[in-house]
Amino acid sequence: DVKVTQSSRYLVKRTGEKVFLECVQDMDHENMFWYRQDPGLGLRLIYFSYDVKMKEKGDIPEGYSVSREKKERFSLILESASTNQTSMYLCASSPQLAKNIQYFGAGTRLSVL
Amino acid sequence: AQSVTQPDIHITVSEGASLELRCNYSYGATPYLFWYVQSPGQGLQLLLKYFSGDTLVQGIKGFEAEFKRSQSSFNLRKPSVHWSDAAEYFCAVGGKTSYDKVIFGPGTSLSVIP
Repeated sequence: DVKVTQSSRYLVKRTGEKVFLECVQDMDHENMFWYRQDPGLGLRLIYFSYDVKMKEKGDIPEGYSVSREKKERFSLILESASTNQTSMYLCASSPQLAKNIQYFGAGTRLSVL
Repeated sequence: AQSVTQPDIHITVSEGASLELRCNYSYGATPYLFWYVQSPGQGLQLLLKYFSGDTLVQGIKGFEAEFKRSQSSFNLRKPSVHWSDAAEYFCAVGGKTSYDKVIFGPGTSLSVIP
């Protein structure tokens, strides 16, 4: 089975802190994604990556950055956390030949106080 | 514009009753279509997908969905709901090229009454 692991299930941070959310997949997938999930809004794409050191902006990249130094790891960075970034963050991966079939991690619920 | 709508924010059904969750999409061409389920505190799990061919697709956990091109719909059905089906359900559409993103609907929350 594909496994996508997010390092933290719950995080509480203070406004202005730098926050790192880590995601690791074990299936050698080329594609990795970061979404945020808010009630009534579904999932919104923040950033995605098709290869190591490659990144593309999604629909809501403002206030976020990403890093992909190794194929299996995709990190989401909040340079200066704000209260409106309180949300559930979901990481996903997919193989190159089936890009649309995404496998999700359990999510990180981030609270920014 | 590409979009996915799920008209029902919340649905409550009795255990053993049938279920239909609605999904409508707006897309320039025939998209790939998906249903995902999210159990409380978990990530999303793929229930089923439609790429082409037979418009009635079978998925895991006894779910099925029917693609109706004329109605731009991809409704999810189950003939008999179990208490463990209580979860959030997301419909999604994706394109056929490497540059197309997957677009998720807002979700429908399902409650099951014993």
